[in-house]
Amino acid sequence: GQNIDQPTEMTATEGAIVQINCTYQTSGFNGLFWYQQHAGEAPTFLSYNVLDGLEEKGRFSSFLSRSKGYSYLLLKELQMKDSASYLCAVTDSNYQLIWGAGTKLIIKP
Amino acid sequence: ETGVTQTPRHLVMGMTNKKSLKCEQHLGHNAMYWYKQSAKKPLELMFVYSLEERVENNSVPSRFSPECPNSSHLFLHLHTLQPEDSALYLCASSQSGLDGGNEQFFGPGTRLTVL
Repeated sequence: GQNIDQPTEMTATEGAIVQINCTYQTSGFNGLFWYQQHAGEAPTFLSYNVLDGLEEKGRFSSFLSRSKGYSYLLLKELQMKDSASYLCAVTDSNYQLIWGAGTKLIIKP
Repeated sequence: ETGVTQTPRHLVMGMTNKKSLKCEQHLGHNAMYWYKQSAKKPLELMFVYSLEERVENNSVPSRFSPECPNSSHLFLHLHTLQPEDSALYLCASSQSGLDGGNEQFFGPGTRLTVL
């Protein structure tokens, strides 16, 4: 079957750095997305990786290793507003979008 | 209005009721989606429409019936639902279908409670 694994919950301190991991087992691969979802709100797009390597976008970076079926989202200089769920999603060879259950990130002062 | 809008934002219905959820996108996109989001579970893709034609139906029960009259509007008609159908229903749109690697833009969702 197809599967996306990410930690259920993580806690970090304001101003620090946190890395949220995502591993996937899918039938083929056509890209990986990260979305942010604040409680009670819609998911919003953060990043898209289709080639190996690191994509940096301000305080957020996303890394992909296709050979390892692995990605991470790196958040730097954490702010209280970064408290949210972070969703990993993979497009498989049939262009089906497989979603992880999300990682709830709690930021403490 | 900008982005993706959904109405109503909250809905409580009995198992014998018939109701409809509405989604409208103001982004000029060609693909629209219905998702179900239950607590602590992955987003479940229910339906995909591309250029107003249904291209995906992930084995959704027939008590959920989608309608896409044009590329800007998407409806989800509900009838004889079960309590386990209570969830957040999200609508999304993207420039093209899932084969484009395009980001999806989500609406705020409808929180549905079935009594």
